[in-house]
Amino acid sequence: GAVVSQHPSRVICKSGTSVKIECRSLDFQATTMFWYRQFPKQSLMLMATSNEGSKATYEQGVEKDKFLINHASLTLSTLTVTSAHPEDSSFYICSASRQGLVRAFGSGTRLTVV
Amino acid sequence: DAKTTQPTSMDCAEGRAANLPCNHSTISGNEYVYWYRQIHSQGPQYIIHGLKNNETNEMASLIITEDRKSSTLILPHATLRDTAVYYCIVNPPRGGSEKLVFGKGTKLTVNP
Repeated sequence: GAVVSQHPSRVICKSGTSVKIECRSLDFQATTMFWYRQFPKQSLMLMATSNEGSKATYEQGVEKDKFLINHASLTLSTLTVTSAHPEDSSFYICSASRQGLVRAFGSGTRLTVV
Repeated sequence: DAKTTQPTSMDCAEGRAANLPCNHSTISGNEYVYWYRQIHSQGPQYIIHGLKNNETNEMASLIITEDRKSSTLILPHATLRDTAVYYCIVNPPRGGSEKLVFGKGTKLTVNP
């Protein structure tokens, strides 16, 4: 089955710094990757969709200059949280997709901004 | 917005069958019903999907009503490790760039 690896699993950073989260499809080429955010006791909220080689499409209310998404290859997408603040603390989850495959998800990254 | 409605929570005794309902009355003809689950602090895990026929795999069974307006996920012999939030999602055929929109899901608690 499709396997998606996400790294790091948890990170603590100081307020004002930037954090990069990686999402890799290990056994397939992902034409599309998705980034979600999940606050405690809430459901997953889609932040953005990215297609390889194209700019990401952000959901309403998500700041594209704060959450930088790069999808430069068919197996790697990165999410960079720039100038992180405590309110950005959340559980970030990526998902990778290719036509004909069931959507697979990464194991998530717990970000804590102190 | 999610196109499905599910009960907020359910309980099940260990070893018994867990039946999780989902309503999707506005489902379109080409949309599949997908089930995922999320164990605490992990990413969602795919369980099963179907279009109109009942489906079974090593994890669960999926029963879809004839009018396709509702479905039931069945875990035949629930274990403590099945405690999770279960999400029912309707989506066009698998893969591609379609968004998977998550509703609030059903929090299933399997009790000893």
